[in-house]
Amino acid sequence: QMQLLQSGAEVKKPGSSVKVSCRTSGGTFRTYGISWVRQAPGQGLEWMGGVIPMFGTKNYAQKFQGRITITADDSARTAYMELTSLRSHDTAVYYCATSSMTAVTTWTNWGQGTLVTVSS
Amino acid sequence: EILLTQSPGTLALSPGERATLSCRTSQTISSSYLAWFQQKPGQAPRLLIYGASRRAPGTPHRFSGSGSGTDFILTITRLESEDFAMYYCQQYGRSPWTFGQGTKVEIQ
Repeated sequence: QMQLLQSGAEVKKPGSSVKVSCRTSGGTFRTYGISWVRQAPGQGLEWMGGVIPMFGTKNYAQKFQGRITITADDSARTAYMELTSLRSHDTAVYYCATSSMTAVTTWTNWGQGTLVTVSS
Repeated sequence: EILLTQSPGTLALSPGERATLSCRTSQTISSSYLAWFQQKPGQAPRLLIYGASRRAPGTPHRFSGSGSGTDFILTITRLESEDFAMYYCQQYGRSPWTFGQGTKVEIQ
């Protein structure tokens, strides 16, 4: 059973950056990659971007282009999402997600979420 | 970007009743790439349905998905207490992957 374990909650100042990690166990995201999805308080789900290590491809939502970097350390089974130039509206729970099912390209497995609070 | 519109926003029902949730997409998508997620407070989303109608492992048979083109439905035949939650549809056929705004199924 694949599990995704994310790093702990963060409090950041406006203008700073945050880097959230996501470590997998019981499986690998090498084939289907890792995506990052965020959820602002009381709001819906928003896909931010993803990476597929097998193909070396990265895909970011246009909204976050220039502010987001997603990387994957295949040997460590860990993915990272860095978001820069933080603003208060970036306060959200950030999830990593992947697929553990052959040919299912949406997200079957999710991390527990990391709360990022942006406040002065 | 493909927009997904879910209706109703809130569905107030009693245990044992049938729930019908709608998801309409702004462009035709292949039914192979429409999913439904359930989310409970404080928890990560959980995949229920993928490919419009295929149950993910562990999804009870009272959950079923249908639809094609731009109109998709999630049906819960007989609501149980653990089904009262938020439900999101999602398309993953064309980047950026997008979600509907959600339907809350609450106890009447």
